[in-house]
Amino acid sequence: EVQLVESGGGLVQPGGSLRLSCVGSGFIFSTYEMNWVRQAPGKGLEWISYITSSGSGIYYADSVKGRFTISRDNAKKSLFLQMDSLRVDDTAVYYCAREDSVIDHWGQGTLVTVSS
Amino acid sequence: QSALTQPASVSGSFGQSITISCTGTSNDVGNYNLVSWYQQHPGKAPQLVIYEGNKRPSGVSDRFSGSKSGNTASLTISGLQAEDEADYYCCSFAVGSTWLFGGGTKLTVL
Repeated sequence: EVQLVESGGGLVQPGGSLRLSCVGSGFIFSTYEMNWVRQAPGKGLEWISYITSSGSGIYYADSVKGRFTISRDNAKKSLFLQMDSLRVDDTAVYYCAREDSVIDHWGQGTLVTVSS
Repeated sequence: QSALTQPASVSGSFGQSITISCTGTSNDVGNYNLVSWYQQHPGKAPQLVIYEGNKRPSGVSDRFSGSKSGNTASLTISGLQAEDEADYYCCSFAVGSTWLFGGGTKLTVL
């Protein structure tokens, strides 16, 4: 069974930083592309970042470009999202999601709250 | 990177059929056969119900079907059940190697 488990969310002040992690199991992590998708409270889904299986290709949504950094450690079956210069409107549940020509499996999400 | 356009809400009676539309542009829905649909119950993660426009993942009811015409994709749910009441999101691959989601549609089963 494919499982994705996120961690690292919490309360942070505007301008602060946070690092999210996601551990995958039940599949060969190193062969899959991965994404981060977020959902603000009561709002819709927003794709924010993608990374190829090897980590050599990376894309970001304009809303986070220059502030967020996606990375992965295939040996540890882990995906990361370094979030810097956080803003109030970054408050959301952040989902780690596997891609196989389609975003097909999602973690349970981790809540990030940016507030003073 | 504007979101795909979905109706905010749709409703249907138990046993009936409903269709949710998802309108994009030639830079996303119209240019790729990579439209997917997700069901999300309150407090839960999204679950894939349709991919590549009209394919169902293993375990998804055949009451769910998808289609596409030009820049608009559609999700049809037939024989509505109480458990179908949820939020539904469309998603398309887009120019620039990004994924674009719709704003979501709240389905109410009457």
